[in-house]
Parts: sequence; structure tokens; C-alpha cells
Amino acid sequence: RKEVEQDPGPFNVPEGATVAFNCTYSNSASQSFFWYRQDCRKEPKLLMSVYSSGNEDGRFTAQLNRASQYISLLIRDSKLSDSATYLCVVSLSWGYNKLIFGAGTRLAVHP
Amino acid sequence: GAVVSQHPSWVICKSGTSVKIECRSLDFQATTMFWYRQFPKQSLMLMATSNEGSKATYEQGVEKDKFLINHASLTLSTLTVTSAHPEDSSFYICSAPGTDSTDTQYFGPGTRLTVL
Repeated sequence: RKEVEQDPGPFNVPEGATVAFNCTYSNSASQSFFWYRQDCRKEPKLLMSVYSSGNEDGRFTAQLNRASQYISLLIRDSKLSDSATYLCVVSLSWGYNKLIFGAGTRLAVHP
Repeated sequence: GAVVSQHPSWVICKSGTSVKIECRSLDFQATTMFWYRQFPKQSLMLMATSNEGSKATYEQGVEKDKFLINHASLTLSTLTVTSAHPEDSSFYICSAPGTDSTDTQYFGPGTRLTVL
């Protein structure tokens, strides 16, 4: 079983749509959770950290369910520029620990 | 935010040659840097943790004699792929942790290696 699993997609949605990404992780000791965005042939960029209480940043909302070991990302009012691969990432502890990446979910937003 | 650079951004080499990739933290010091590898349509996989002034820590399955890591200063880590073969062709990315207390890591732009 992979440590971090994501739906591979791709998700093809029209502009303005709401799209949800799901992720599960296997290690219950995981402490830190993130969503990264990766454009084709580019490095990943941090989109947002994910907290137990849930957090929102503009059109993006992230949720964490520790009991289910499940993380989600919701994008509202999709823009063309949101087209990218979204990576679910976990870390075992705070501090300079290694990040474990999911394989990513590809999103394509079309006009 | 903090900036991490990598050089070269892409390289094509013949099988059997060695390739050195540099990772630099441009506006901050990094005692630790991480090296990842990403094959097409796969996730980033941590290869090793580079530690300034000491030996790198390699992940299981990564050959330390093939992927030589040197962290000679607080702003530079190098990864040398020795005797590269076509199966080493991949996207190599380094990262450095931020100087705050969070888990933020700043990624370099990556190096695309193609071994013929």
C-alpha cells in the first residue's frame, strides 16, 4: 500500500466549476499535511498547509480527518490557471523531516 | 520567500558519464537539503538528506556510491550521478527547509537528466 494515495485523475472541468481532491495516508503518526501544486516540468509549489480545524485560502479549502486519515482540497470557481497537478503531502513530524508525496491528481480546467 | 536554485536546469549525457547537479540556497543558509527524483507521471521520491559537514542520509534502495552527495557549505549541496545509465533519466529536484519553525520547504526548479 502506498503511503499517500490520491485519485490520479485527470479531472477535466469547465471554468467556474467546483472540484474536490481526496487523499488518504497510511501512517497514523503523520503530523503535518500539505497540498502542493506542480505545473508540467516544474518544481512543486506549496499551495497550503492543512490543519485539523480545516482552513481556507480564497477559493481553496483544505480539510483533514485524522481519524479516517483523509485529506481533501476543494477548489471553487475554477480558473484556467488552476490547471496543474495537485500533490497531497504528509510529514511524520514537525521540523526538518522528509516529505512524503502522493502521485498527484491532474486537473485540467477548460473554457 | 526563500529562493533555491539548481544548475543545470537540464542535461543530456552519454551512458557511463557522471553528471553533477548543484543546489544552492540563495538568500538563506541551509544545514539540511533534500534530494528528490521524479519519474514521469509518478510522485517525487526522496533520495537522500544532505547534511552540511557530515555524511548524507540515503533512503532505502538508493545507492550511495552511485548518487554522491556533498554538502560543502551552508548554501550549496551537490548531487553527482556517477556512471549514469538510461534508467537514471529523471527529474531531480532539491529542496531546503525554511528558517521558520514550520515544515515549509523551498524547492529548486529541478534538473531534467536524460542519459542516452
